[in-house]
Amino acid sequence: SQQGEEDPQALSIQEGENATMNCSYKTSINNLQWYRQNSGRGLVHLILIRSNEREKHSGRLRVTLDTSKKSSSLLITASRAADTASYFCATDSTSGTYKYIFGTGTRLKVLA
Amino acid sequence: EAGVAQSPRYKIIEKRQSVAFWCNPISGHATLYWYQQILGQGPKLLIQFQNNGVVDDSQLPKDRFSAERLKGVDSTLKIQPAKLEDSAVYLCASSLEKSRQFFGPGTRLTVL
Repeated sequence: SQQGEEDPQALSIQEGENATMNCSYKTSINNLQWYRQNSGRGLVHLILIRSNEREKHSGRLRVTLDTSKKSSSLLITASRAADTASYFCATDSTSGTYKYIFGTGTRLKVLA
Repeated sequence: EAGVAQSPRYKIIEKRQSVAFWCNPISGHATLYWYQQILGQGPKLLIQFQNNGVVDDSQLPKDRFSAERLKGVDSTLKIQPAKLEDSAVYLCASSLEKSRQFFGPGTRLTVL
């Protein structure tokens, strides 16, 4: 079963605009990760945020985590055509096995 | 640093045939994961190894799927016999404990 669920399922924006994707999950977590997947390729790790953190930045990426609402958001600022990809959140559980469950993904298309 | 290697990259077989996938993780990574990603969905964990021991295989269809990790390094995933619904990309990933996962390029399996 899916732990995380991304919203929206698909997003289309113009180059230079900001893109926001949301992830909701069901059970308590130790940390949450965001990954990017370009078409036909493996996943690339973007950022990890721990359950005691509320916000994290990496370049043009900003991730927030609200454990009370069991949700996270990924903001990509000043998007580029190269940001076109699918974005997934992955959550572990507090069971200690470091098992991650991936969400259904948001397919982002950035138009030049 | 060499990444996670997988082979083959593509495989086409007929239903009821057998197939095997190979993964070589990043040197020193104790944890190895096999995921199944069906088109349009997020990766689903099939099995997780810690060194050469199985940590989680709760979603592995054990009547047809098997996996092993030789001497805590390379791993193989086998399907025997394959079904049409096994058509997917099979992703291998490795990680140090409590950290980001590094993914291989995946093996795209088509079952006819």
